Amino acid sequence: EPEVTQTPSHQVTQMGQEVILRCVPISNHLYFYWYRQILGQKVEFLVSFYNNEISEKSEIFDDQFSVERPDGSNFTLKIRSTKLEDSAMYFCASRGARDNSPLHFGNGTRLTVT
Amino acid sequence: QKEVEQDPGPLSVPEGAIVSLNCTYSNSAFQYFMWYRQYSRKGPELLMYTYSSGNKEDGRFTAQVDKSSKYISLFIRDSQPSDSATYLCAMSAGGDDKIIFGKGTRLHILP
Repeated sequence: EPEVTQTPSHQVTQMGQEVILRCVPISNHLYFYWYRQILGQKVEFLVSFYNNEISEKSEIFDDQFSVERPDGSNFTLKIRSTKLEDSAMYFCASRGARDNSPLHFGNGTRLTVT
Repeated sequence: QKEVEQDPGPLSVPEGAIVSLNCTYSNSAFQYFMWYRQYSRKGPELLMYTYSSGNKEDGRFTAQVDKSSKYISLFIRDSQPSDSATYLCAMSAGGDDKIIFGKGTRLHILP
């Protein structure tokens, strides 16, 4: 069964450094998302992306965050200058073209900012 | 009032018991309701997906939606130790609207 894949599984970085989290969505999906989950807290929406542009973003998704689909398969989340509070699991998700099809998630990247 | 409320548990039940997991919500625009299962250090895995009010059954799992009460449930019959996980309810208004998650309920099935 096709799946969303994310790399790396764990990223450790120092405060102030830039990180790029990578995702390969399911191949025929058109809608792409990033969610984050701080340890012990709920899964929170960050951003949605469709047709090569951001559809919606949350308050969390400030100027330090950006997303890109550099080619036909990858979808990336960049954090320009990481803060301690950015430490979390970051989940990529995608869904198909059919209206209201459900999200399929990757296994996440655990980001640790020291 | 939070948009989606879910008791975080933990909920411990003996193997074979029927499990009932619930969420309430405040946004009457929500039309699509999902249950995800999340194992430790893994991504959420879609279990059930329903539209509007009613019941949906898939194997040992039954999802119920009562839009008049803004209340959704997931029932697990003949629970197994492998069902031990965190169960997340999620919902959206549809279209391009983002999906909002509950905090998740940690479930332990005791052998």
